[in-house]
Amino acid sequence: ILNVEQSPQSLHVQEGDSTNFTCSFPSSNFYALHWYRWETAKSPEALFVMTLNGDEKKKGRISATLNTKEGYSYLYIKGSQPEDSATYLCAFASGGSYIPTFGRGTSLIVHP
Amino acid sequence: GAGVSQSPSNKVTEKGKDVELRCDPISGHTALYWYRQSLGQGLEFLIYFQGNSAPDKSGLPSDRFSAERTGGSVSTLTIQRTQQEDSAVYLCASSSLGGGAYEQYFGPGTRLTVT
Repeated sequence: ILNVEQSPQSLHVQEGDSTNFTCSFPSSNFYALHWYRWETAKSPEALFVMTLNGDEKKKGRISATLNTKEGYSYLYIKGSQPEDSATYLCAFASGGSYIPTFGRGTSLIVHP
Repeated sequence: GAGVSQSPSNKVTEKGKDVELRCDPISGHTALYWYRQSLGQGLEFLIYFQGNSAPDKSGLPSDRFSAERTGGSVSTLTIQRTQQEDSAVYLCASSSLGGGAYEQYFGPGTRLTVT
């Protein structure tokens, strides 16, 4: 069983704050790391898929970094808005696996 | 374009009854996944289909669970003799190709409640 940990479990911030959270995964046999956003009453939506150590991805105010040697990825949100409120999931795929293992997610609530 | 659709959106059933959940993936996507999320838990993998290959059923929790994918498109997840612990949101996802490096597109889920 692959251990994919996300921290913190939940986070409350004020509108305009920048925030970040962490996904930890096994540092051996890395293949890919996914980030998804899951808003209440909606489907999970893919944000990024990263495959190379040192990868940095950006979409609007959201960005992610990847360190495969130490087994972690950070997701950053700059200038949080209430519409960023969601659960952010990461999923790790090991070499040769086609089934990413999901973490439990970080629940973000942005207060206006 | 059309995304992944699932039906029904909600299902309430009595303990012991069988249920069928349906997933229509994005057209042309060869990979299809079923997951479930029980209350307070993370996404739990159930089964994976890739093209014409034999499905990976390693996540199915018991032999009461089965799934099929017809014509490489629509998939049905069947739960026989439902139990209360089967209550969960069942999510289907598809990706353009198999392999862990392709983003998954999720359906809206089916909320199953077993009374």
